[in-house]
Amino acid sequence: QVQLQESGPGLVKPSETLSLTCAVSGYSISSGYYWGWIRRLPGKGLEWIGSLHHAGSTYYNPSLKTRVSLSMDTSNNHFSLQLRSVTAADTAIYYCARRKSSSSFDYWGQGTLVTVSS
Amino acid sequence: QSALTQPASVSGSPGQSITISCTGTNSDVGTYNFVSWYQQHPDKAPKLMIYDVNNRPSGVSDRFSGSKSGNTASLAISGLQAEDEADYYCSSYTSSGNVVFGGGTKLTVL
Repeated sequence: QVQLQESGPGLVKPSETLSLTCAVSGYSISSGYYWGWIRRLPGKGLEWIGSLHHAGSTYYNPSLKTRVSLSMDTSNNHFSLQLRSVTAADTAIYYCARRKSSSSFDYWGQGTLVTVSS
Repeated sequence: QSALTQPASVSGSPGQSITISCTGTNSDVGTYNFVSWYQQHPDKAPKLMIYDVNNRPSGVSDRFSGSKSGNTASLAISGLQAEDEADYYCSSYTSSGNVVFGGGTKLTVL
């Protein structure tokens, strides 16, 4: 059973960097698939942030590309998100997920609320 | 990339059938058979209901089905049940190798 769990600070100050980690169990992330981050903005829908593969390929949402970095630690079976220069508009529930096919995500973490506020 | 267009809300009575549309462009829905649908209940993670336009993951009820025509994909739910009340999102692969989601549709079971 594949399981994902997000972790990281629930409160980040404006202009600082949001950092989250997704721990994966039940599957080795170096075995394949893309792994990604998605967020749900308050009162709005889902927004894809980006996806990465252990072989090094990464894809980012064009609207966030200048502020986002994704990385992977295969030895500890987790992957991470960094979002720089955050504002209140980045307040959201952040989910990590496994990308099953070209656009579908089949396993999701429970989500973690990140609030950007001073 | 612009979000895919979904109706803000749809509703139906128990036992009825409903359809939710998802309109994109020639750069996403219209070109690729990589449209997915997700169900999200309050305070829960999204659940994959349909992938690659019309495929159901194991364990998803056959009351849920997907289709596509041109730049518009659709999710159909037959035999509506109270537990189907949730938010539904579509997503598509894009020509840039990215993923784009729809704005979401709130389904109310009357």
